[in-house]
Amino acid sequence: DIQMTQSPSSLSASVGDRVTITCRASQRVAGYLNWYQQISGKAPNLLISGASSLQSGVPSRFSGSGSGTDFILTISSLQPEDFATYYCQQSYSTPWTFGQGTKVEIK
Amino acid sequence: QVQLVQSGTEVKKPGASVNVSCKASGYTFATSGITWVRQAPGQGLEWMGWISADNGDTNYAEKVQGRVTMTTDTSTSTAYMELTSLTSDDTAVYYCARAKVRGWYELDPWGQGTLVTVSS
Repeated sequence: DIQMTQSPSSLSASVGDRVTITCRASQRVAGYLNWYQQISGKAPNLLISGASSLQSGVPSRFSGSGSGTDFILTISSLQPEDFATYYCQQSYSTPWTFGQGTKVEIK
Repeated sequence: QVQLVQSGTEVKKPGASVNVSCKASGYTFATSGITWVRQAPGQGLEWMGWISADNGDTNYAEKVQGRVTMTTDTSTSTAYMELTSLTSDDTAVYYCARAKVRGWYELDPWGQGTLVTVSS
């Protein structure tokens, strides 16, 4: 199975801060990497697919980059509604696996 | 709009089975797969498996292999996930999500989740 490791596991940031979350795969997943946002108590929501393709309706302050084994989710200017947990997920091979999540909290 | 609506909360005793449904609307059901993901209390997301709504092909996670059965009913655009021999470790919110192919697979949208509690 491909193991996905996110860092950090949690972070505290202020509104307006630039935030980066990294995701490392235990083996190459090409660009088959998705990012999801989960607000507490709600279902996850797809933000970015194929490593860098922003979903329709997702604010442009979110961006994704990377390929192979190392990926980054960037929030250019953190907004109050962005405080949530973020997960990466590979769909390169089954079982599709998720990172453990990164909780973004208010500083 | 594309939407997945899941069945309601379930409370089961250890050893019982649970069947969760996921009704799709807003797209042609057979053109995408359905993935099931669960989330234990306070934990992360765990992929359980995938079913093709086109031909019924399945792929299950090793952890639940032998206890899980995923099916679809194309006449009602509904997917089902049955999990048997429940234990307290199966207590979780269960989500279905459309598995759409764009070169890669992406999970979008997700159902609202179904809480399954296993308790004696």
